[in-house]
Amino acid sequence: DGGITQSPKYLFRKEGQNVTLSCEQNLNHDAMYWYRQDPGQGLRLIYYSQIVNDFQKGDIAEGYSVSREKKESFPLTVTSAQKNPTAFYLCASRRGGLAGYTFGSGTRLTVV
Amino acid sequence: KQEVTQIPAALSVPEGENLVLNCSFTDSAIYNLQWFRQDPGKGLTSLLLIQSSQREQTSGRLNASLDKSSGRSTLYIAASQPGDSATYLCAVRPGDSGGSNYKLTFGKGTLLTVNP
Repeated sequence: DGGITQSPKYLFRKEGQNVTLSCEQNLNHDAMYWYRQDPGQGLRLIYYSQIVNDFQKGDIAEGYSVSREKKESFPLTVTSAQKNPTAFYLCASRRGGLAGYTFGSGTRLTVV
Repeated sequence: KQEVTQIPAALSVPEGENLVLNCSFTDSAIYNLQWFRQDPGKGLTSLLLIQSSQREQTSGRLNASLDKSSGRSTLYIAASQPGDSATYLCAVRPGDSGGSNYKLTFGKGTLLTVNP
């Protein structure tokens, strides 16, 4: 079955560490997105990529970095510059045109 | 700036009841609106996608309507079941050509509890 796979499901980060969240899709979608979800704040866009080797900052990109070397993969790195990284991270993809969005199952990141 | 509001924030109903969830948005220039379901600790599952040219979409017991001119959408759930308990989110894709038309704007959701 086609879909989006996010890993790991749970991730723990020590202060000062960089961590990378994986997002892989086998839907042959062109566009991919990273959202952050915090209680009471809804979902906020971190980064998005419409094609391979191209990506743009979303509304809250500071402290995060991404790459898009392959169509299927859009990993998100949470750097030590992100002051409050504890959150639920969701990856999404979209075929293009007026198509809707497909989301992964999420990664819960906790700072310890 | 597009803002999306969902009312009520929480809703508790007995099993079998028909119910309506509301979503309003401030800018009517949209490409489409998508309803999602989120179970606790899980990702988002797409329920219905309504294009700006459409008035409604149906899937099983779910029916979503869109009134773009008034900035409103409703999600109607017929004959609710305990398995429908979840948070329901609506998201709007803006229709402007300035580069932001790929970004969804989400409401904060309605937490639905269906009691057996």
